[in-house]
Amino acid sequence: AQRVTQPEKLLSVFKGAPVELKCNYSYSGSPELFWYVQYSRQRLQLLLRHISRESIKGFTADLNKGETSFHLKKPFAQEEDSAMYYCALSGGSYIPTFGRGTSLIVHP
Amino acid sequence: NAGVMQNPRHLVRRRGQEARLRCSPVKGHSHVYWYRQLPEEGLKFMVYLQKENIIDESGMPKERFSAEFPKEGPSILRIQQVVRGDSAAYFCASSGGNQETQYFGPGTRLLVL
Repeated sequence: AQRVTQPEKLLSVFKGAPVELKCNYSYSGSPELFWYVQYSRQRLQLLLRHISRESIKGFTADLNKGETSFHLKKPFAQEEDSAMYYCALSGGSYIPTFGRGTSLIVHP
Repeated sequence: NAGVMQNPRHLVRRRGQEARLRCSPVKGHSHVYWYRQLPEEGLKFMVYLQKENIIDESGMPKERFSAEFPKEGPSILRIQQVVRGDSAAYFCASSGGNQETQYFGPGTRLLVL
């Protein structure tokens, strides 16, 4: 069974502060992990996926198989980063399992 | 190149009525997925369809819910005899293949009175 846990419902930081949104997963095989973002009044969109090893909008995420984590990080938060962030896992099938989301609020 | 379109964006129904939610995938995409998001919860997979075929409906409630993706026209998620517990946001996503990135629509927010 696949499971994705985002332990924080809400994360509140000030502009310029570092951000880390936590994601832990449970899956016995080789996972494919994603971060999706949903800005206010906009649709859910893919932010990054671990296999591409990209940095999007200053965000990075590293897959740690030992800790079964895929935390999303950004060294200096911006106000426009305020959004809902969803971690998702695809265990080799077409059906990703989503976490319940973390609301990030960046204060000026 | 329009993204995934969903309509209506908001739908209000009384208990016992039917709700029809429409999803037009990205042009050229033949794979459609429906998800439900209850308040305070993550997205939950409901059903995966390709043109004219239901591939996986393991997340769909056994009664009152059905989905289709006809050869022509949008995918439809149909909820018969709605109950208050059906109130949620319903998202549709499409992809060009079953292992490819899913693109999401804006969602339909269903409220059952």
